[in-house]
This record gives sequence, C-alpha cells and structure tokens, in this order.
Amino acid sequence: QVHLVESGGGLVKPGGSLRLSCAASGFTFSDYYMGWIRQAPGKGLEWVSYISSSSNFIFYADSVKGRFTISRDNAKNSLFLQMNSLTADDTAVYFCAREIAAAGLFDYWGQGTLVTVSS
Amino acid sequence: EIVLTQSPGTLSLSPGERATLSCRASQSVSGDYLAWYQQKPGQAPRLLIYGATSRAIGIPDRFSGSGSGTDFTLTISRLEPEDFAVYYCQQYGTSLTFGGGTKVEIK
Repeated sequence: QVHLVESGGGLVKPGGSLRLSCAASGFTFSDYYMGWIRQAPGKGLEWVSYISSSSNFIFYADSVKGRFTISRDNAKNSLFLQMNSLTADDTAVYFCAREIAAAGLFDYWGQGTLVTVSS
Repeated sequence: EIVLTQSPGTLSLSPGERATLSCRASQSVSGDYLAWYQQKPGQAPRLLIYGATSRAIGIPDRFSGSGSGTDFTLTISRLEPEDFAVYYCQQYGTSLTFGGGTKVEIK
C-alpha cells in the first residue's frame, strides 16, 4: 500500500534553513506528481508546493516562492523541500502527499513532520 | 486567488444524524475541481470526494458531494462515531486553495 514518511523537521532559528525529505513506497513514484502541504498549529491546511513526475513543472504558493525549493529523486523514491530564510510564520507540520490530477489533488498523505521556527 | 468559505465553523450533531457542510467559493471553480478531506486529531487528511461528486477509493457511500460553480456541499447521511472530525474543502481548478474547515463534533 502507499506509504509516505516525512523526516527532517525540527527547531530552527529565524533566518535559518531546513531540508525536509519524504520517502515513498507502495507505488511507482516516478509516475506521480508529488506535493507538500503544511498546517500551522491549530490552523487549517495550506498548500506549499508540488512537482511533476519528471520535475518539468514546479509550482509554489506565493508565501514560499523564492525561499523554498521542491525537488525529487525518482531513483530513490524521494521528495525534498529545501526551506531557506525561515520565519515564525513557517512553523507548521509539513505533509508530503501524492498528487493524482496534475492540478493539486492529493490522494495519499504522510503523517507529517513538525518544523518550529523560533529563537 | 479563489477564497473558499466553509460553514458552519462547528456542527454539533449526534450519531445517526445527517450532516450538511457547505463550501462557498469567491469565484467559480474551474471544472468543478472541488475536493473534500477529513482530518482527525493527530492524523493526516484523508481524501473523501474529488471532482465535487466522486467518492475516493474506499470511502463509504454515506459520504456524498454535490454542487457546482461556487456552491458545494458535503453530506454525511448518517453519522458514525468515526465521522466526528474536521472537514476541509479544496479547489484545484485555479491554482490551489483550502477552506478553513468545519468541525463536526458530538452533541
């Protein structure tokens, strides 16, 4: 079955950087778009970024454009999110998710990894 | 950006009752590309409905979606104990946006 496991979260100071990873299994990773969605503590869902199967198409929310970079390694069934210039507003649980419509529809989600930006 | 407004914020119902959740878009959702997700505390969201009306794999038929354009509804015909959760709508027709969520709690 589809399994997505995020890692790399933690505590980082404002202005710092962090790289999240997502290990995928149970499906042909290279066939699917993948994405990141975040959820601030006690808040709703916010789309962050998603990437096409061959990395040709990449989309970012305005709130992270220019600071975050999504990438993938199909040989290793892995998705990444490089996060730079972090602020307190980036504090959230970051979910990795499989996308099925090439437009931002996510059918399977990981359990998430918590990123806390604080001095 | 398309803004999705969900109502009510909280719905207090008893098991066996019918739940009707609303999602209203600030402009027409292209292709009626509207999805609903369920999220329980400490868990990842689960896709319930896509394309406004299609149930995702494994979703019980007590969940149904309806609507088009700017007004969409998620209906749970008879609430089971495991259905008490937060529900989010999401449009994926023009970029992506999520609604603020509706909490369905036990009365």
